[in-house]
Amino acid sequence: KNQVEQSPQSLIILEGKNCTLQCNYTVSPFSNLRWYKQDTGRGPVSLTIMTFSENTKSNGRYTATLDADTKQSSLHITASQLSDSASYICVVKSSGSQGNLIFGKGTKLSVKP
Amino acid sequence: NAGVTQTPKFQVLKTGQSMTLQCAQDMNHEYMSWYRQDPGMGLRLIHYSVGAGITDQGEVPNGYNVSRSTTEDFPLRLLSAAPSQTSVYFCASRTSITGELFFGEGSRLTVL
Repeated sequence: KNQVEQSPQSLIILEGKNCTLQCNYTVSPFSNLRWYKQDTGRGPVSLTIMTFSENTKSNGRYTATLDADTKQSSLHITASQLSDSASYICVVKSSGSQGNLIFGKGTKLSVKP
Repeated sequence: NAGVTQTPKFQVLKTGQSMTLQCAQDMNHEYMSWYRQDPGMGLRLIHYSVGAGITDQGEVPNGYNVSRSTTEDFPLRLLSAAPSQTSVYFCASRTSITGELFFGEGSRLTVL
């Protein structure tokens, strides 16, 4: 069964610290993996996309990694800011005929001053 | 650039009432979808459409109807609201190639 598991479920860090969020998936066949950021009361917004051939991709202070062999991805946030407080959702797209999207349940990050 | 527009943002219904959540996108995306988001459950697909005149069920379709008469609009109808439909609803559209979803701002529905 296609599944996406995220950990931890929630995380509290101090402003300025780094953190890493994890995403493990069992989706096959794999097309790509996206990380979305969802601010409280808003819709999710795409942060980055990882395809099969990409290992690392950065978007400002956000760095995503992908290990297609172990089917794991991580999102590393450097020098966290209060505005990073949000839920981060991992979504994997299969390359089947319908291009199904499989959602993780998200990690809720709280950055405290 | 409006993107995906949802209305209303908030709605309170009584059990058994009907209503329609509106969704419009101006990006000429063929694919549109409706999700509900509940605490601890993540986003779950209700219905989706791959083009005008074509709709299909997602993971949790019961109690909801959709139609797609134009590329731009994809309304979600609750025919007889139930307390279990209390949730935050998101409409999204995407390109068929990359799969990036563009979400609306959400509609918070409470059914009493």
